[in-house]
Amino acid sequence: SQTIHQWPATLVQPVGSPLSLECTVEGTSNPNLYWYRQAAGRGLQLLFYSVGIGQISSEVPQNLSASRPQDRQFILSSKKLLLSDSGFYLCAWSTTGAGANVLTFGAGSRLTVL
Amino acid sequence: GQNIDQPTEMTATEGAIVQINCTYQTSGFNGLFWYQQHAGEAPTFLSYNVLDGLEEKGRFSSFLSRSKGYSYLLLKELQMKDSASYLCAVGDNTNAGKSTFGDGTTLTVKP
Repeated sequence: SQTIHQWPATLVQPVGSPLSLECTVEGTSNPNLYWYRQAAGRGLQLLFYSVGIGQISSEVPQNLSASRPQDRQFILSSKKLLLSDSGFYLCAWSTTGAGANVLTFGAGSRLTVL
Repeated sequence: GQNIDQPTEMTATEGAIVQINCTYQTSGFNGLFWYQQHAGEAPTFLSYNVLDGLEEKGRFSSFLSRSKGYSYLLLKELQMKDSASYLCAVGDNTNAGKSTFGDGTTLTVKP
């Protein structure tokens, strides 16, 4: 069966510090991978998606970046965090082709920028 | 792009039936999805409709009318554990399989 791991679960970072969130998927190959952010009481905002190794598409211009160094690894980074980067970050994967939109989420990473 | 609307909050009684509506406007459509999200947790997939009509999965059913840009999630025999946020999402028809989410409906089930 497929599993998705995301870490760290919680982090508190000062403004201007770097960020690295990591996500790995097991039990499948060539998944579509996504990073979403959820502000308190709101829906999910798509930040980045990837359909293959090294292929990253950005949905929202900001000071975040994403990378996919391996087929089942997706990393969200920032060189300098802003207060507005606080939120609940969710990695997700889906299959390609039919049913490609059914998302399976990691447990999430709650980021507080102070 | 996608524009998705759903009520912010709903309250219902344990054992009752509740219907959560979702309307959408889309430039590309590959299904309407419902997710459940308990407070502080990640969303989990509940149901999806690609074609018009009703899909039933136990106590949960979802309905879609593509011509009206309308869907609803029906929860029967409500239980206290059904208190959660319910997210409506529209999938696009590209190979990226992107989904756009509504802001969610927070359902509170009372005894």
